[in-house]
Amino acid sequence: AQSVAQPEDQVNVAEGNPLTVKCTYSVSGNPYLFWYVQYPNRGLQFLLKYITGDNLVKGSYGFEAEFNKSQTSFHLKKPSALVSDSALYFCAVRDPFSGGYNKLIFGAGTRLAVHP
Amino acid sequence: DGGITQSPKYLFRKEGQNVTLSCEQNLNHDAMYWYRQDPGQGLRLIYYSQIVNDFQKGDIAEGYSVSREKKESFPLTVTSAQKNPTAFYLCASSIEGQGNTGELFFGEGSRLTVL
Repeated sequence: AQSVAQPEDQVNVAEGNPLTVKCTYSVSGNPYLFWYVQYPNRGLQFLLKYITGDNLVKGSYGFEAEFNKSQTSFHLKKPSALVSDSALYFCAVRDPFSGGYNKLIFGAGTRLAVHP
Repeated sequence: DGGITQSPKYLFRKEGQNVTLSCEQNLNHDAMYWYRQDPGQGLRLIYYSQIVNDFQKGDIAEGYSVSREKKESFPLTVTSAQKNPTAFYLCASSIEGQGNTGELFFGEGSRLTVL
């Protein structure tokens, strides 16, 4: 079965320090991978995606993610965390059997808390 | 400004009542989706649609119904048959065919609470 795992329920980091939010996936074929961010009682905002090409993907708000095919991972990173980065982060993979749709399979989410 | 509008933002319902959540988009996207979000469970797909008058069941369609009478609109009805309807509901859309960039665009969500 296709799936996404976010092994950490919460990540705590001090402002100014680098942050990593982990994601691993299990999917047939070449994956389409996404990161989204959600603030309280809001919808999901798209951060970045990997479809093909360079393994290091840059996205919005200074975030980047590294695709690692051998480890089936797509970790989200930022060199210097801000308090305003505190939110819920979701990793997702496109269902390869979508039949032309963009059906995304989501991880359970990781809450990022950045402390001043 | 293009986007996806969901209404109402907050909704309270008594047990046994049906309720309809609205989703309208002016992005000219072909495909629309409904997801349910519960704490610690991520998002789960309820229904999706690619064209007018056609829609498909997702992973958790039981107790829900949808319609797609217009390209711009994809309302979701939570019926009394849904055993645990209290949740945050998210509508999304995406480009299909040429120009498909893969990602979904989300509305701001509707929080349904059953009293």
